Amino acid sequence: SQKIEQNSEALNIQEGKTATLTCNYTNYSPAYLQWYRQDPGRGPVFLLLIRENEKEKRKERLKVTFDTTLKQSLFHITASQPADSATYLCALDMGSNYQLIWGAGTKLIIKP
Amino acid sequence: EAQVTQNPRYLITVTGKKLTVTCSQNMNHEYMSWYRQDPGLGLRQIYYSMNVEVTDKGDVPEGYKVSRKEKRNFPLILESPSPNQTSLYFCASSNPGQSYEQYFGPGTRLTVT
Repeated sequence: SQKIEQNSEALNIQEGKTATLTCNYTNYSPAYLQWYRQDPGRGPVFLLLIRENEKEKRKERLKVTFDTTLKQSLFHITASQPADSATYLCALDMGSNYQLIWGAGTKLIIKP
Repeated sequence: EAQVTQNPRYLITVTGKKLTVTCSQNMNHEYMSWYRQDPGLGLRQIYYSMNVEVTDKGDVPEGYKVSRKEKRNFPLILESPSPNQTSLYFCASSNPGQSYEQYFGPGTRLTVT
């Protein structure tokens, strides 16, 4: 079955630097992949979606890449700020009934 | 304001005492879903609904029931809660015909003793 791996260890980044988070999956490529942000005690909030035929997607300071050969998506936050500190989740949609398979998330800490 | 609401936000109960967690969305979304989130694990889907009167099992449906009598509401029912159902629960909705992003409620933290 499809598995998703996100770095379980927290990622500490200095303010102003680029933060890069990784989402790896096994088996076959999803129809599309989504990234969400989750703050403590709150529900996830959608950030970006990238389709299997897209290499890169951008939204303001956020960039997502999708490499079906490596079976990997990278999520970048440029010019990071302490307010970007949160847990970031990736989710894969295999194209069946809108079911999403979720990673456990990576906690990002931006230090001033 | 477009939102998904859940009630209660926090609940402590005892084993075997039936409970219902309500979920309501005001965006006229067709798709609704329940997840549980446990430390170190990704969100795991319990049940989902593609439309009114249409529900289906997710990955971890055992011990849960749902119903979808109206488009806006999707309650989660635990007929006989057990301690292994202690978790953080999220309701989500989306409109796949327009966008695949899911909108989440604020979560319900359930403790079963």
